[in-house]
Amino acid sequence: GAVVSQHPSRVICKSGTSVKIECRSLDFQATTMFWYRQFPKKSLMLMATSNEGSKATYEQGVEKDKFLINHASLTLSTLTVTSAHPEDSSFYICSARVSGGTDTQYFGPGTRLTVL
Amino acid sequence: GQQLNQSPQSMFIQEGEDVSMNCTSSSIFNTWLWYKQDPGEGPVLLIALYKAGELTSNGRLTAQFGITRKDSFLNISASIPSDVGIYFCAGASNDYKLSFGAGTTVTVRA
Repeated sequence: GAVVSQHPSRVICKSGTSVKIECRSLDFQATTMFWYRQFPKKSLMLMATSNEGSKATYEQGVEKDKFLINHASLTLSTLTVTSAHPEDSSFYICSARVSGGTDTQYFGPGTRLTVL
Repeated sequence: GQQLNQSPQSMFIQEGEDVSMNCTSSSIFNTWLWYKQDPGEGPVLLIALYKAGELTSNGRLTAQFGITRKDSFLNISASIPSDVGIYFCAGASNDYKLSFGAGTTVTVRA
């Protein structure tokens, strides 16, 4: 149980284009999902908290117009990197918390974004 | 969130040895979590701890939630080659956000 998927697993795009990453909780409902960014050999950095049916809450220093988050259903959150640039290249990971459950977050397998 | 103090940063161990790592924090947490991450993958939950003083096992893994709620340790007994990876501790506070340790990289010598 508690499986989270992400799609795509890898994406390469040209500078200036937008990329959408999907995060799905496959066998549970998730009112709250989280988006992280991870640099090589570093820990996870929280970007934003995605709340079903309401606006995402962004961490300090994360541009909300750059990283658009939509959480339209209890099993799906999307992160759109708008007008991507090479410095946006990174490993993006989502996690989900079981609605009404504990603090435990279950992570997706991650998406490797490369912006040329 | 804050970064937790996780140690050691890395370790080389002989197959069959026991491994121990720990995390400390200046803040109190409601939940302590231990994850393992393989290269190019997302973190996988190993053990979740919800109560101060709780000692929980999952196969060869044992973890404890410190009585002060500011620390936790993870032990791996009789290590095997597939234990290689990066282990992260994480603490959850009232807003459900996780604070992570910097990770412990484990390399097993056969």
